[in-house]
Amino acid sequence: GAVVSQHPSWVICKSGTSVKIECRSLDFQATTMFWYRQFPKQSLMLMATSNEGSKATYEQGVEKDKFLINHASLTLSTLTVTSAHPEDSSFYICSARVGTSGGWETQYFGPGTRLLVL
Amino acid sequence: GQNIDQPTEMTATEGAIVQINCTYQTSGFNGLFWYQQHAGEAPTFLSYNVLDGLEEKGRFSSFLSRSKGYSYLLLKELQMKDSASYLCAVTDSNYQLIWGAGTKLIIKP
Repeated sequence: GAVVSQHPSWVICKSGTSVKIECRSLDFQATTMFWYRQFPKQSLMLMATSNEGSKATYEQGVEKDKFLINHASLTLSTLTVTSAHPEDSSFYICSARVGTSGGWETQYFGPGTRLLVL
Repeated sequence: GQNIDQPTEMTATEGAIVQINCTYQTSGFNGLFWYQQHAGEAPTFLSYNVLDGLEEKGRFSSFLSRSKGYSYLLLKELQMKDSASYLCAVTDSNYQLIWGAGTKLIIKP
C-alpha cells in the first residue's frame, strides 16, 4: 500500500517551454501532497504544500507563478514549470501524506522526475 | 532556528554494523523519520519514532531520545545494497517536515 507514482520520470525540454509533472496516489487518498526539489548531492528542498481543493502553500523563495501547482482531486496533484530555464534543471519529487493530522503521519514519495532544460 | 545535524559521509564494511547519528533542534516535535535514498532515486521510508526508545525492524533499528534531541539509525549485517544516503527528518509543532542534509553511507567489501 501507499504507492505514489510520478509521470514523466524523465523530461528534456527547450528553454522557454512549460513542463507538467503529475503525481498520483495509487491506492489511497491524499488530502495533502508535497513537492520537493533536489539538486545533486543536496538534501530535499520543500517547494510547496498542495492541499486538495485549495491553493498551494509555497515556501519562501519559490515563485508561485513559475511553479504552478494544482491539486484537483484526492489522488492527483500536478506541478507545471512555466517558461523553464536551464537553472530549473533538477530532480523534482512529490510525496503524499498518509495518516491523520495530529497523529502518525508518514510521507511516501513518488519515484521523482528528472528535468533537464537545454 | 530549526536545525538537523547528521554526518555527511560514513564508510563501513560489508557484514559489519554502523550507527548513523542525528541531532535536532526544532520548534516542537511530533516525530522523527529515517529515509533511505539511493542515488538518482526518491527517498523510501525506513522508520518513525515519536516516543523514546528503540524501534527494531529487521536489520534496521532506530533510537530516539527526545530530551537529548537525538536519534540514531543502526544498520546490522551490512550489505552492499545498503550503500545509499540516509535522511533524518523531524516533524515540528506545525507538522512540517524538517530535513537533514543526509548521510552518505559507503559500504566496502
